[in-house]
Amino acid sequence: QKEVEQDPGPLSVPEGAIVSLNCTYSNSAFQYFMWYRQYSRKGPELLMYTYSSGNKEDGRFTAQVDKSSKYISLFIRDSQPSDSATYLCAMSPGTASKLTFGTGTRLQVTL
Amino acid sequence: GAVVSQHPSWVICKSGTSVKIECRSLDFQATTMFWYRQFPKQSLMLMATSNEGSKATYEQGVEKDKFLINHASLTLSTLTVTSAHPEDSSFYICSARPWTSGGAYEQYFGPGTRLTVT
Repeated sequence: QKEVEQDPGPLSVPEGAIVSLNCTYSNSAFQYFMWYRQYSRKGPELLMYTYSSGNKEDGRFTAQVDKSSKYISLFIRDSQPSDSATYLCAMSPGTASKLTFGTGTRLQVTL
Repeated sequence: GAVVSQHPSWVICKSGTSVKIECRSLDFQATTMFWYRQFPKQSLMLMATSNEGSKATYEQGVEKDKFLINHASLTLSTLTVTSAHPEDSSFYICSARPWTSGGAYEQYFGPGTRLTVT
């Protein structure tokens, strides 16, 4: 079993839809949870990070962490074609620790 | 701010030759740099962690004699793939953590280098 599981997709939604992206994990030591966006043949770009459980909102993006269920989510409201990319979740147990990534979910927002 | 560059962006080399990839933090000093490898439609796999002035720490299964990492300054790390073979063809991405970093999230990624070994 992988430490971090993420549905690879692809996920296709119409413009304006609400997108829900999810990851599950098995390591209860993870405390830091990140979401990255990666365009084709580019490096990942940090979208949001959360420490421990709870919600965090930034514009059209909302990150949720449920440590009791070992489940994290990223919601994108009013999705745009420019949101089409691969979304990677990543986790870490500590501030100086390495990141463990999910496989990424490929999202396509259609006109 | 927080820009990381990689050079080259794409390289093709013949089997048996060595290739060097540079990773630079352009507007900050990075005490720690990471090297990842990404196969098509797969996630980033950490290869090694390097701290300025010390030897790199390699992940299990990564051959340190094949993937030489040098972190000579606070803004530059290099990855040399020695005696490259076609199975080394991949997308190599570096990231850098500022020395002022306050959290695990603070890791900035380069644009990646696509290596093709023929």
